[in-house]
Amino acid sequence: DTAVSQTPKYLVTQMGNDKSIKCEQNLGHDTMYWYKQDSKKFLKIMFSYNNKELIINETVPNRFSPKSPDKAHLNLHINSLELGDSAVYFCASSQALQGNIQYFGAGTRLSVL
Amino acid sequence: SQQGEEDPQALSIQEGENATMNCSYKTSINNLQWYRQNSGRGLVHLILIRSNEREKHSGRLRVTLDTSKKSSSLLITASRAADTASYFCATAPSGNTPLVFGKGTRLSVIA
Repeated sequence: DTAVSQTPKYLVTQMGNDKSIKCEQNLGHDTMYWYKQDSKKFLKIMFSYNNKELIINETVPNRFSPKSPDKAHLNLHINSLELGDSAVYFCASSQALQGNIQYFGAGTRLSVL
Repeated sequence: SQQGEEDPQALSIQEGENATMNCSYKTSINNLQWYRQNSGRGLVHLILIRSNEREKHSGRLRVTLDTSKKSSSLLITASRAADTASYFCATAPSGNTPLVFGKGTRLSVIA
């Protein structure tokens, strides 16, 4: 049983396309996150949701829109993909926001051509 | 905003040797955590040390925290080839804010 699962694992697409990445956690956690990891391995938080409500929205282009239908799911939709969007995107969850241990998905490697 | 900075950026050692990685941070924290990332995988939590703790052990891992110097170190003893991974420190700042991850140390353990 995978605690945090995200799909797809790989995503190859053309510039200008719209794509979605899905994430689900079965840990009963209240908080979920999206991170972007660039080629230098720097992990940057993009969004954080707590009980389906947006808590953190870092400086991310509004082409990125997260959606949380319930507290076990946090999906990421990206419009008008650009070359610079190529990265590995990680979903994570934690019991609560403040300083809690985070559990990560395996990542989605997005390549924009 | 980035909080933790790991040092060194990369480390290569022989199997059986000890590996030490350091993390420095800037603001007060509730706790500090270390994570491991194997190539092509997600981060996995290793150990958490609270701001009122100075040292913690878990198997071959030893973590120290010096809040006066705003620094932490992760020691992996008797390293194995399977320890080859990137190691990240993550700080939990005071207040209702999430973890802030550093840039990581890439550890290579050569058999």
